[in-house]
Amino acid sequence: DTGVSQDPRHKITKRGQNVTFRCDPISEHNRLYWYRQTLGQGPEFLTYFQNEAQLEKSRLLSDRFSAERPKGSFSTLEIQRTEQGDSAMYLCASSPTGEYGYTFGSGTRLTVV
Amino acid sequence: GESVGLHLPTLSVQEGDNSIINCAYSNSASDYFIWYKQESGKGPQFIIDIRSNMDKRQGQRVTVLLNKTVKHLSLQIAATQPGDSAVYFCAENGIGNQFYFGTGTSLTVIP
Repeated sequence: DTGVSQDPRHKITKRGQNVTFRCDPISEHNRLYWYRQTLGQGPEFLTYFQNEAQLEKSRLLSDRFSAERPKGSFSTLEIQRTEQGDSAMYLCASSPTGEYGYTFGSGTRLTVV
Repeated sequence: GESVGLHLPTLSVQEGDNSIINCAYSNSASDYFIWYKQESGKGPQFIIDIRSNMDKRQGQRVTVLLNKTVKHLSLQIAATQPGDSAVYFCAENGIGNQFYFGTGTSLTVIP
């Protein structure tokens, strides 16, 4: 395990479809984060897990978005009824408890057409 | 959200020169800052961090300076190399465990 893995790397979907992304954090990292990055902007926080508990959610995470980390290991981010404004890079990051320095994955680039 | 901004969106430097990337932050309560490097098609990569009880921190070829009086961060890269070409973001800790990122500075190293 050499880093944070995200799958898929790219996803093109039609407006109105549901999509799900997966993140596998570094195995010993208890904390897992989801961020969204649009073109030319810095990442924006979406949500954070400590083990399996979802402890923080951004206002950006509308009702169409849901994230899970059922066993405290991998996480999924689902977007229902996708909209064109959802097109972005979705980044996952992880860190050990007590450390702020994240390790990011390479992201999933979502394009909604 | 908090405002974390960068003074210059793009920066071009000659290979071997030193680079300085600047960042302003707005929340005087922020106590931890990180610089990230992001290459095309990749996620942000941690470069160096600094806590608010420090003014300066050095790493390998990189130095971060923190001026809390004017809420300003800078990243200095010594002897810039072509592999340093990327977008650089500063980030400050926000509420809970989230970070606020600036919009980024694109650094281009000219061989």
